[in-house]
Amino acid sequence: KAGVTQTPRYLIKTRGQQVTLSCSPISGHRSVSWYQQTPGQGLQFLFEYFSETQRNKGNFPGRFSGRQFSNSRSEMNVSTLELGDSALYLCASSATGSEQYFGPGTRLTVT
Amino acid sequence: DQQVKQNSPSLSVQEGRISILNCDYTNSMFDYFLWYKKYPAEGPTFLISISSIKDKNEDGRFTVFLNKSAKHLSLHIVPSQPGDSAVYFCAATGSARQLTFGSGTQLTVLP
Repeated sequence: KAGVTQTPRYLIKTRGQQVTLSCSPISGHRSVSWYQQTPGQGLQFLFEYFSETQRNKGNFPGRFSGRQFSNSRSEMNVSTLELGDSALYLCASSATGSEQYFGPGTRLTVT
Repeated sequence: DQQVKQNSPSLSVQEGRISILNCDYTNSMFDYFLWYKKYPAEGPTFLISISSIKDKNEDGRFTVFLNKSAKHLSLHIVPSQPGDSAVYFCAATGSARQLTFGSGTQLTVLP
């Protein structure tokens, strides 16, 4: 089975812009979660989608949003980018919701 | 408030010996625990997990032990190999299905 894929792998944006990241889960997995990794805060949960519905949300501002499509693919959007949004954004998919398998991540740099 | 703690930021072990990585948690609602291995700029790779109804789970060279009364889990790697050198994250989840991660332990296996 193919693993979780994320595009793009690297991205450079300017403060104030917005960005959309994409994630394709493992075939058959209906749960997709997003995480942010920064040196200061570690790995933090952003949100989880299941069958196109957001089931859970972490403690991030409303500038961070996401959606899931009928084929379970998911997108994450960050509007009005700030320097502090520079991070590795990780997508994980799961069949059960507990055991999660991660993609390679998208490295976002905000200048 | 760190709900999952990995108190050792680093650990060095000789090749062939046992590596023991430790993790403590505070939230008694956690019922599923996972260990991930991570290289820089890559997504975490799932290693092994354990449900709160068990106290041990084994997969090849990897064994996870759970002590619920102490809210402590550990990952044993036997024998350790140089390719095991990476950052190891402990994670926990409950009904919310969001993974709460520890801060990671850098394992270095010396040849």
